[in-house]
Amino acid sequence: DGGITQSPKYLFRKEGQNVTLSCEQNLNHDAMYWYRQDPGQGLRLIYYSQIVNDFQKGDIAEGYSVSREKKESFPLTVTSAQKNPTAFYLCASSRSVGSYNEQFFGPGTRLTVL
Amino acid sequence: AQKVTQAQTEISVVEKEDVTLDCVYETRDTTYYLFWYKQPPSGELVFLIRRNSFDEQNEISGRYSWNFQKSTSSFNFTITASQVVDSAVYFCALSVLPMDSSYKLIFGSGTRLLVRP
Repeated sequence: DGGITQSPKYLFRKEGQNVTLSCEQNLNHDAMYWYRQDPGQGLRLIYYSQIVNDFQKGDIAEGYSVSREKKESFPLTVTSAQKNPTAFYLCASSRSVGSYNEQFFGPGTRLTVL
Repeated sequence: AQKVTQAQTEISVVEKEDVTLDCVYETRDTTYYLFWYKQPPSGELVFLIRRNSFDEQNEISGRYSWNFQKSTSSFNFTITASQVVDSAVYFCALSVLPMDSSYKLIFGSGTRLLVRP
């Protein structure tokens, strides 16, 4: 089945540690995205990528980094510089970056900083 | 600046009732797209509908219907004869492509719908 997978589902991190969240898609989509969701709030864009080896900052990129070495993969690293990283992280993809394209979402990773 | 407002934080209804979720948006762009997504307890967002700014026709899909009114900048979502499985958080979102080609998809804060048996 085509879709987006994210791993792990739950992640615990100690303060000061970097962690990497995995996102893989087999939909042959060019564009991929990372969002953060806090309780009772909408989604906020962290980073997005239009094509392999290219990515752009979203609204809340500070303390995060990404890479796009393969079309299928768009991992997100939450660095120790992110002051409040506890949140639900959602990865998405679309055929291309464009206002008309619906995005398809993965099941999310819930990150908790201990 | 673009903005999406979902004023209803939480709605609770009894099964089989009709329910309308409100969405009001702000943008100066003449070309834009509006979306509705459903987020069930599992967490994954599910795409429901897309509507472009030039198409004000209402749309019906089974028990779901959408009312787009540019005059009031609203894109409301109605569920007819609600069911327990409709319980979820529903997000309205606005997409524009500014002149600098930077991508923008703006989400509302969501409305949590609880359908009680």
